[in-house]
Amino acid sequence: EPEVTQTPSHQVTQMGQEVILRCVPISNHLYFYWYRQILGQKVEFLVSFYNNEISEKSEIFDDQFSVERPDGSNFTLKIRSTKLEDSAMYFCASAEDLDNEQFFGPGTRLTVL
Amino acid sequence: QKEVEQNSGPLSVPEGAIASLNCTYSDRVSQSFFWYRQYSGKSPELIMSIYSNGDKEDGRFTAQLNKASQYVSLLIRDSQPSDSATYLCAVMGTGFQKLVFGTGTRLLVSP
Repeated sequence: EPEVTQTPSHQVTQMGQEVILRCVPISNHLYFYWYRQILGQKVEFLVSFYNNEISEKSEIFDDQFSVERPDGSNFTLKIRSTKLEDSAMYFCASAEDLDNEQFFGPGTRLTVL
Repeated sequence: QKEVEQNSGPLSVPEGAIASLNCTYSDRVSQSFFWYRQYSGKSPELIMSIYSNGDKEDGRFTAQLNKASQYVSLLIRDSQPSDSATYLCAVMGTGFQKLVFGTGTRLLVSP
C-alpha cells in the first residue's frame, strides 16, 4: 500500500542553524501539507501546497519557514534559523484531492539545542 | 477561532466492550470530518472519514455525524487492548485545506 515517507526520522540541531525536512508524498496525490506537534500538544497545521505554490498557511508559518517541491517526488520544509520552540514532531501529509482524506508520514522529530 | 473539542480522557473500557469517543466543533461551515488514531510517539493514522449526516460503518468502527448539533462521534465495537491509543478528531471546512485537530481522547482497553 502506498505511503508517505519522511527523512530523517530524528534531527538534532543547534539553535540558529538551518534544517531541511524531507517528505515523499504518495505518488498520485496532488495536495501536500506540513503539520507539527509539540510534545503533549495537539497537531497543528503549518502549510498546504498545491500546483507548486502555497495555498494556505498558518500564523506559525512565518518568514523562517519555506516549502519547496524541488522535483516530481520530494516535498521539503526548510526552517532557516531554528529556535528552541521549533522542537517538535513535524508531519508531512498528502491527499489526492481537496477535502479528501489526508495521509500522514511517520514524522521527523526535530530537537533544537 | 475554529475549535475542535474532545475530552482528553483517559477513557477506560474492558476488552470486548464498546468504546464511545466524542467530538464537537465550532465552525458551522465544516464539511469534512476525520478520525485518526495516534499511538505514543507515532504519526496520526486515518481510521474513518465522514462527510454527511448519519452513520458510517467500517469493520468494528462506526462514525456518527450530526451537523445540526456540530457533533461527531466514533464507536469502537469489541474493543481490543491494541486499540489503546489517542484518538484524534479532525475537521476541515469547505474551501479550506487545513485539518483542525482536537487534543485527542486517550483510550485504554484493559484485558
